[in-house]
Formats: sequence, C-alpha cells, structure tokens
Amino acid sequence: DARVTQTPRDKVTEMGQEVTMRCQPILGHNTVFWYRQTMMQGLELLAYFRNRAPLDDSGMPKDRFSAEMPDATLATLKIQPSEPRDSAVYFCASGFENTEAFFGQGTRLTVV
Amino acid sequence: AQTVTQSQPEMSVQEAETVTLSCTYDTSESDYYLFWYKQPPSRQMILVIRQEAYKQQNATENRFSVNFQKAAKSFSLKISDSQLGDAAMYFCALPHGGATNKLIFGTGTLLAVQP
Repeated sequence: DARVTQTPRDKVTEMGQEVTMRCQPILGHNTVFWYRQTMMQGLELLAYFRNRAPLDDSGMPKDRFSAEMPDATLATLKIQPSEPRDSAVYFCASGFENTEAFFGQGTRLTVV
Repeated sequence: AQTVTQSQPEMSVQEAETVTLSCTYDTSESDYYLFWYKQPPSRQMILVIRQEAYKQQNATENRFSVNFQKAAKSFSLKISDSQLGDAAMYFCALPHGGATNKLIFGTGTLLAVQP
C-alpha cells in the first residue's frame, strides 16, 4: 500500500527551538511538495522539488525555513528558530511527473 | 494570476440526498487539470476526482461527478446518495506554474451530512 509517510504526526515545541519534519515520498515519485495549512491562510505551497532539486521555494520564509531532499526517499522541512505563528499543519505530497499529488497525513506543529 | 474560489464555506445535506459544491477559477493556461480533494477529520488529503480541461466529458468516480464549464471557468462537484462518511472539508485545486501536481487550493467547503 503505497503512501506518503510523514513524521512526527504531532509536535509541540517551545518558541526558539529547532523543528525538523520528515517526509518519505512514494517510491518512484520524482516530485515532492511541502504545503502549510492554517485557518487564516488555508493551504499554501511552501516548496517544490523535482528529481530532488528545489524548483520553487518562493512561498517559504527564507530566514527561518529550509527544505532539503538528502536522497530520493527523504525530504525534510526545518524551522529554526520556531515562532508561535509557525503553528500549523504541514503536509508533504509526492507525485510522478505531471500526475496528481498524493498527500501524507501531515504534521501538526504547535509552537508555544 | 491563477485563482480558485469556493464561495460556500459550509454546506449540509441529508443522508442519501444529492449535494453540489461550487468552484470557480481563473487561469491563463489553455490545457490544464482540475481536482477536488477531500479532507476528513483525520486531516488526510484524499483525491476525489480530477478533470482534464481538454476533455468535454465530465469526470465521474462512483457517486462523485463534476460539472465542468470551461468557458465559464466553473468546476462543481456533485455527490449523489450522500453517506455519513462524506462529511469532510472539500477543496477545489488548480495546478499552476506548468506542473500538474503543483497546486493552488480554494478556501474549502465544509460538508455536513445529516442522518
């Protein structure tokens, strides 16, 4: 049963701490996306990778957020330092070429 | 700029009845896809149905179908024989930037199903 796996499912952290969210895309998929979902802004695209290369991270606050794909089976999204306004659900999604994207279950981040 | 608009924040339907969720969009692309995603309380985003803009025939997946009006840039979702498990947030999505799976989403419609 192929699925996108995200860890952790939930994370509570204190302001100023580093947060790392991980994503294992579906085997064989070559596009990976990070989205953020909040009540106020809805679903926003943060970053987009194709064949592990970052193609678009214009939606990501550059000063504190970073996204990487160390290998084809792992994508990471880091926030350092975290702030209360970063509290949201972060989704990873993967796809193959231009077919539809499949989403993970998301990481609910709470920064206190 | 590409936009997606869902004008119904909430909808309610009786079990076994039919409900239609609305979506309008704007794009300068001539060939594109449109998607409906479902997000139940578990928060998993699940693809419900997709439509290819060059196809005149409306897409259908079991109880889910779309009414795609390309000229009007309208893409509504019809759910027939509604079930309790259909209760969820529904998002309309449009690809942008030349990548089919790089999506912009509408604000969502929360669907309640009454027993």
